[in-house]
Amino acid sequence: GAVVSQHPSWVICKSGTSVKIECRSLDFQATTMFWYRQFPKQSLMLMATSNEGSKATYEQGVEKDKFLINHASLTLSTLTVTSAHPEDSSFYICSANLGQKETQYFGPGTRLLVL
Amino acid sequence: DAKTTQPTSMDCAEGRAANLPCNHSTISGNEYVYWYRQIHSQGPQYIIHGLKNNETNEMASLIITEDRKSSTLILPHATLRDTAVYYCIVRDPFGGKLIFGQGTELSVKP
Repeated sequence: GAVVSQHPSWVICKSGTSVKIECRSLDFQATTMFWYRQFPKQSLMLMATSNEGSKATYEQGVEKDKFLINHASLTLSTLTVTSAHPEDSSFYICSANLGQKETQYFGPGTRLLVL
Repeated sequence: DAKTTQPTSMDCAEGRAANLPCNHSTISGNEYVYWYRQIHSQGPQYIIHGLKNNETNEMASLIITEDRKSSTLILPHATLRDTAVYYCIVRDPFGGKLIFGQGTELSVKP
């Protein structure tokens, strides 16, 4: 299957700082990437859909000014958690499609801890 | 909201077949059934998907009932490494989004 990477794999930051997470499709071009969040012992929750060259579409209840998404190329999408607070501590996972009807492949996830 | 229901947890003996059921009674004609699994602290891994016909690949088999209201994922010879949460997801081919339910926590025991 296709390979999706994330960087960093884990990050610890102080409350009030911003954190950027990168998602890359390594062996294919992804027109669409997705960002999920997962709290302990819970399922994945879709945060937003990111299309290359256009604004991201956020799910209901997700603050777009809090979670900035940029999809500047067909192989890279970034999620920036702005002014992070302890309640933003979570496991953030991205995924990518080869095309709209194609299978979605997931990255390994980024664990964020905000102190 | 997720359009599927799955048992919360299941056990399976190592070497035996693991049969994971999924109900999707409101599935539409053009929606696919996808299965992913998530091993602890990792991103979900794609397993298999299907529309109407049964499907098989190197990882598993997918059996979809004729009315498409339910399906079963079969791991033919479960190993300890198959211990994971298995998610059954109904996906609109045009929307592209995957909406995860709670999944089934499969424990493969020696």
